[in-house]
This record gives sequence, structure tokens and C-alpha cells, in this order.
Amino acid sequence: DTAVSQTPKYLVTQMGNDKSIKCEQNLGHDTMYWYKQDSKKFLKIMFSYNNKELIINETVPNRFSPKSPDKAHLNLHINSLELGDSAVYFCASSRGRAGNYEQYFGPGTRLTVT
Amino acid sequence: SQQGEEDPQALSIQEGENATMNCSYKTSINNLQWYRQNSGRGLVHLILIRSNEREKHSGRLRVTLDTSKKSSSLLITASRAADTASYFCAPFAGDSGYALNFGKGTSLLVTP
Repeated sequence: DTAVSQTPKYLVTQMGNDKSIKCEQNLGHDTMYWYKQDSKKFLKIMFSYNNKELIINETVPNRFSPKSPDKAHLNLHINSLELGDSAVYFCASSRGRAGNYEQYFGPGTRLTVT
Repeated sequence: SQQGEEDPQALSIQEGENATMNCSYKTSINNLQWYRQNSGRGLVHLILIRSNEREKHSGRLRVTLDTSKKSSSLLITASRAADTASYFCAPFAGDSGYALNFGKGTSLLVTP
């Protein structure tokens, strides 16, 4: 069974569109994350949720809105997509605070905005 | 949370050789984690080493931590082509942050 799954794996869309990426974990973890990895492989934290509560919201445009309907899911909705949003987005989860526990990553969603 | 800086940025070796990559960080930490990322995949956790530990092993992996120099190293012994990946360190300072910050990683290429 996949521990952390994301859908879709690839997403190609045009500027100005709105899209969502879904993430689910079946590990019973309390904390979930969204990361963005750009073309230079730099992996940056975007959001962190603990027990469905937003804990960290880094300097991310408010076009990005995470939604956590329950502890096992953390979805990412992006409005008015821009070329600079093209990247690979990773969802991750951990049992508790990131530094104290290992993180489990999903396979990533490659977003291409044209 | 602070991020680590991996060195070298790229490393190319032959199968059977050992690979060493380093990580430096700026402030005191509670622990430090190493992750591997195969091309096109998510990160996979390798080892977590706590600030009161100096060395930790996992199979062919050996991680050392020198808190006085604020540095860590990851040694992969008897490397295999399957070890080809990017390796990231993530120091954790025990602040209120709920996330890890990753550097640009070391890109390791192991050729047969």
C-alpha cells in the first residue's frame, strides 16, 4: 500500500486556470506538508498542517490555498496559475513535529503551466 | 528552521567506491536528518542523528555529526549504481517550526 499518495502525477494547464492537487496518507500521521521543488532542485516548504490546523504558511502567494478535510488528507488548490508556478509539488507527512520524526514523501505532482 | 548546505554539489564515482558528502549548518541543533531523492521521486528518509550522538550506521550508510564544527557527513560504502540520487540534509534546531528546510543537495552519480 502506498503510504503517501498524490493525484495527479502530471498536470499541464494554461495560465490563469485554477487547479487542485490531492494528497492522502494512510500512516495515521498527525502532520502533513506541501513542498515545492523548482527546476534547480531547491525544495521549499509551503504549508504545514497539524491535526487539520494550519501551522506554517511560508511566504506563499494567497493564490495557493491548502485544505485539510481530515487528518489523512491535505489538498492544494491553486488559483490563477502563473508560469512561475511550474514545479514539482510534494506532499509529505510525519508522526509529529518534522524535526523529531522522519517525513514520508509522496511521489510528487509535476505541474507545467503554459 | 534553518537549512543545511550540502557539499559537494555534484559527485561522480565508480561502483564499489565510497562516497562522502558533507552538510554544514549555522546554529545549534537538536538533530539532523539525511534524505535521498531518486530522479523523479519523492524524498526518502535515511537516518536521523541526534545532537548527543557522534555517529550512526544503517547498512552501508554511516553518518557522523560534529556539533562543534556544525557539520555532518554521510558516507556510503561500496556504492552501487542504484545509489545514484540526490542527497539532502535537514538540520533541526528544535524551534517551534513544524517543517524541515532542505538545501540544494548533493547529486551523486555512480557509474558501473
